[in-house]
Amino acid sequence: DAGVIQSPRHEVTEMGQEVTLRCKPISGHNSLFWYRQTMMRGLELLIYFNNNVPIDDSGMPEDRFSAKMPNASFSTLKIQPSEPRDSAVYFCASRPLAGGANEQFFGPGTRLTVL
Amino acid sequence: QQQVKQSPQSLIVQKGGISIINCAYENTAFDYFPWYQQFPGKGPALLIAIRPDVSEKKEGRFTISFNKSAKQFSLHIMDSQPGDSATYFCAASKGHSYGKLTFGQGTILTVHP
Repeated sequence: DAGVIQSPRHEVTEMGQEVTLRCKPISGHNSLFWYRQTMMRGLELLIYFNNNVPIDDSGMPEDRFSAKMPNASFSTLKIQPSEPRDSAVYFCASRPLAGGANEQFFGPGTRLTVL
Repeated sequence: QQQVKQSPQSLIVQKGGISIINCAYENTAFDYFPWYQQFPGKGPALLIAIRPDVSEKKEGRFTISFNKSAKQFSLHIMDSQPGDSATYFCAASKGHSYGKLTFGQGTILTVHP
């Protein structure tokens, strides 16, 4: 299994530009999470989906952030317009809903720098 | 009430020593307590986890101690090795099937050879 796949791995953009981060969860995993990691705030849950449906988006910082999961194998996190304070590492994680296990499998992350 | 507080922020240990990282939680509904390990440039990965029906769980050199009455749990790394140098996160969730984890702030562990 290839694990959780995220793209791009690095993104450098200028303030005001639109940024789209992509995630492909592990096949068969029907729960998907987006996290943001910074030195100041640690690892924050932004939003998570069960069976492609957003369950909790209370961690999304503001309306500039949006996330979609159009099918079981793809999700996007969009920031528009981007700001320097959005600079962080963004992780996607997935886990199966069934089976009782609560282990989340993280992708390698996307390091976003907004100039 | 959803917070998980982790300490220390950073820890330096000599090779062969014991590393201890502590976490405290407030929400008594939490019933699953994992520890994740993160190496530089990588995503966090599950290291070991415990449920509140036991007070201790050991896997190799890694042990979780759990104190339900104090609402605290800790990670002990015995015979610490330079390869253990990483950031460690404690976390908690309620309802094991829901998967939403609340993470602590993380501890940067450095093991000197």
